[in-house]
Amino acid sequence: DAGVIQSPRHEVTEMGQEVTLRCKPISGHNSLFWYRQTMMRGLELLIYFNNNVPIDDSGMPEDRFSAKMPNASFSTLKIQPSEPRDSAVYFCASSPFAQGLLGGEAFFGQGTRLTVV
Amino acid sequence: AQSVAQPEDQVNVAEGNPLTVKCTYSVSGNPYLFWYVQYPNRGLQFLLKYITGDNLVKGSYGFEAEFNKSQTSFHLKKPSALVSDSALYFCAVRVPSGSARQLTFGSGTQLTVLP
Repeated sequence: DAGVIQSPRHEVTEMGQEVTLRCKPISGHNSLFWYRQTMMRGLELLIYFNNNVPIDDSGMPEDRFSAKMPNASFSTLKIQPSEPRDSAVYFCASSPFAQGLLGGEAFFGQGTRLTVV
Repeated sequence: AQSVAQPEDQVNVAEGNPLTVKCTYSVSGNPYLFWYVQYPNRGLQFLLKYITGDNLVKGSYGFEAEFNKSQTSFHLKKPSALVSDSALYFCAVRVPSGSARQLTFGSGTQLTVLP
């Protein structure tokens, strides 16, 4: 398996533009997570899905952020409109176990480095 | 509320020497504990976890960690460090009945192994 695949690897956009980050989880994993990593705040969980259903989105910072998982093999994280403070590395991760039930480890993608200028 | 602390931002060790990266935690109940490693421009990679059972857990790349309930610690160790072990290491904790939100990561420790 190729692991969790994220695209693009790098994204530079102007403030106010819409940004869409994409993720393909590992086949057979039923949980998917979006994290944001910054120097100031470390790793933050934004949202997670179980069996394609959003379970907890309380980490999504504002209404400008939205995430979807239309099927088991694809998820998107959208920021509209983007702001400079959204600049960070965004990670997608998947897990074979529903979080909270078992101690299943998460497998991370390589991340998307977003820069909003 | 649960938390995890990695008291050292930076750890330097000579190649061939043993290494320790420290982690302490605070939870209500029995914890699930994890170590991840992050290489430059890469995502986090799972190293090992403690769920239950033997307090000494062995993981990838020769790493191991010891769960110490009385000291609420889960330090990462390796008997002989390699230059290629240089990376950012994260400890994480969660309680079994918690949600994914309760997977709490530490702030990370940058390990540098000097040749």
